Amino acid sequence: ELKVEQNPLFLSMQEGKNYTIYCNYSTTSDRLYWYRQDPGKSLESLFVLLSNGAVKQEGRLMASLDTKARLSTLHITAAVHDLSATYFCAVDSGNTPLVFGKGTRLSVIA
Amino acid sequence: DAGVTQSPTHLIKTRGQHVTLRCSPISGHKSVSWYQQVLGQGPQFIFQYYEKEERGRGNFPDRFSARQFPNYSSELNVNALLLGDSALYLCASSLTHGRRSGRAPYNEQFFGPGTRLTVL
Repeated sequence: ELKVEQNPLFLSMQEGKNYTIYCNYSTTSDRLYWYRQDPGKSLESLFVLLSNGAVKQEGRLMASLDTKARLSTLHITAAVHDLSATYFCAVDSGNTPLVFGKGTRLSVIA
Repeated sequence: DAGVTQSPTHLIKTRGQHVTLRCSPISGHKSVSWYQQVLGQGPQFIFQYYEKEERGRGNFPDRFSARQFPNYSSELNVNALLLGDSALYLCASSLTHGRRSGRAPYNEQFFGPGTRLTVL
């Protein structure tokens, strides 16, 4: 059974600081997704990572995938308040649509 | 282009009642998946339908059922509601289901706005 673990689950960051969210998964997969969710809202797709070594960047967020280590990272550079949200990684196991992590609740404070 | 739509937006029910949630996929998409997201958790897979057939089922009791119509829209039904069924129910649509063989293009899922179900 595919398991997806994120850490940390809660993250309080100061504006301007850098930090990384980690996503580990238990079985072989080369397709990983990152989503953002604002309170009471649905999931907003951030990144789709489709191969080992894939790296994608959008603004202050950068995601990478290491399929050999079964690890993806979401790096936040110079955090701003607008980045406050919950971030989920999800893995495509090929058998069921998506398996999600528990999410990382990010709070960016001044 | 319209994205995935879901109705209703919010719903309040009491224990023991049943509920029907509806989803319309993106035009051209033939697969619909349903997820349950309990407060503070990640979404959990419930069902996937493709071409009106069930293609996957998560670890949910038989009180949960779903179907897909010829126009590819879908309904999720939950009977004998429990307090623990309170959650955000998300529908996702995709072109097909699962993966194609080899290195074929990925099959990204696009999520709707969700239905917030509260069971009292």
